[in-house]
Amino acid sequence: DVKVTQSSRYLVKRTGEKVFLECVQDMDHENMFWYRQDPGLGLRLIYFSYDVKMKEKGDIPEGYSVSREKKERFSLILESASTNQTSMYLCASSLLSLAAKTDTQYFGPGTRLTVL
Amino acid sequence: GENVEQHPSTLSVQEGDSAVIKCTYSDSASNYFPWYKQELGKRPQLIIDIRSNVGEKKDQRIAVTLNKTAKHFSLHITETQPEDSAVYFCAASTNYGQNFVFGPGTRLSVLP
Repeated sequence: DVKVTQSSRYLVKRTGEKVFLECVQDMDHENMFWYRQDPGLGLRLIYFSYDVKMKEKGDIPEGYSVSREKKERFSLILESASTNQTSMYLCASSLLSLAAKTDTQYFGPGTRLTVL
Repeated sequence: GENVEQHPSTLSVQEGDSAVIKCTYSDSASNYFPWYKQELGKRPQLIIDIRSNVGEKKDQRIAVTLNKTAKHFSLHITETQPEDSAVYFCAASTNYGQNFVFGPGTRLSVLP
């Protein structure tokens, strides 16, 4: 059973603070992803990583950075939190595709971040 | 890049009726199309998926159809039950196991 966990379910921070959101998966998945989820906009990809120390920008990387020092852990960093970063943040992981087949993503429970 | 549209944004059906949610995608290279269900306060969970070499897939009360020529795919839920009430997301993948592009979601309400 795939398990993806996130460090916090709810987080309240102040504008300008540095925020760390952590995600851990226990299935030895190569790919890990960070999304934000906002009403009416669905899930938007912030960053993803396909290997340790590798990262790729998603659709909305501005204001965010990521870190992947270990295979099982993928961190999302808000260098200076702003109110427009108030959102639900979802982490996901998936196997690296072999033979050009895509594998599904498994999601963590989400972190609801409020920036005041 | 890929763009996924999803309709309708909200859908209400009577218990026992069928529900259909449709998605269109723009990139003909997309080859994998999962559907996720997200209940209130919970994480999205995969309910069914289809690959581009298959036209239809069924799992009990849910089915997905894919029309590659028209670049659209649909989720069909038959004999709906109150526990089917949730937000449903479609997605399309243009790379091999990497980034998905999600539709904006459909809020399905099954009325008793």
